Amino acid sequence: RKEVEQDPGPFNVPEGATVAFNCTYSNSASQSFFWYRQDCRKEPKLLMSVYSSGNEDGRFTAQLNRASQYISLLIRDSKLSDSATYLCVVNSRGTNAGKSTFGDGTTLTVKP
Amino acid sequence: EPEVTQTPSHQVTQMGQEVILRCVPISNHLYFYWYRQILGQKVEFLVSFYNNEISEKSEIFDDQFSVERPDGSNFTLKIRSTKLEDSAMYFCASSSNGGARARGSNQPQHFGDGTRLSIL
Repeated sequence: RKEVEQDPGPFNVPEGATVAFNCTYSNSASQSFFWYRQDCRKEPKLLMSVYSSGNEDGRFTAQLNRASQYISLLIRDSKLSDSATYLCVVNSRGTNAGKSTFGDGTTLTVKP
Repeated sequence: EPEVTQTPSHQVTQMGQEVILRCVPISNHLYFYWYRQILGQKVEFLVSFYNNEISEKSEIFDDQFSVERPDGSNFTLKIRSTKLEDSAMYFCASSSNGGARARGSNQPQHFGDGTRLSIL
């Protein structure tokens, strides 16, 4: 089983649609959680951290369910500029710097 | 906004040669990381570094790889004898100390724009 598993995608949606991405992780000792976006051949860029209480940043809402080891990202009113690969990232409870494990990513294409 | 910078942006090297990839992390960050991404594949963790020593490393980070923070600002990844399968994008990242009780692993990492390594 993969350490971090994401919806395989790709997702093709029209502008204005709401889209949700799911992610599960296998290590129950995982400590912190993030969503990144990655544009083609570019570096991952932090989209948002994911907190146990759930958190929102504009059109983006992230949820964490530690009991189910599940993370989600909801994008409302999607824009053309939201087209990218979305990466679920889980940080392990390691010593000091620890490590981050990336999911394979879910590709989103928003069409006019 | 401060950023992680990496040089060179593209490195072409003959198989068997040594290569050094350079990174300047964000200045007040204490935790440093290297990742690689083979074309079309996922981002893979290589190594994390804190307080001048390796904190964690993956199975990919074998004896051919080493990291160093030679002068307090640069953070380098060396591959001693490159192989064809080392061809990938290499990303450096850094994160801050979140406070007395926090560890670097709690904080989001900020990535450089990568070095594309091509082994011929």
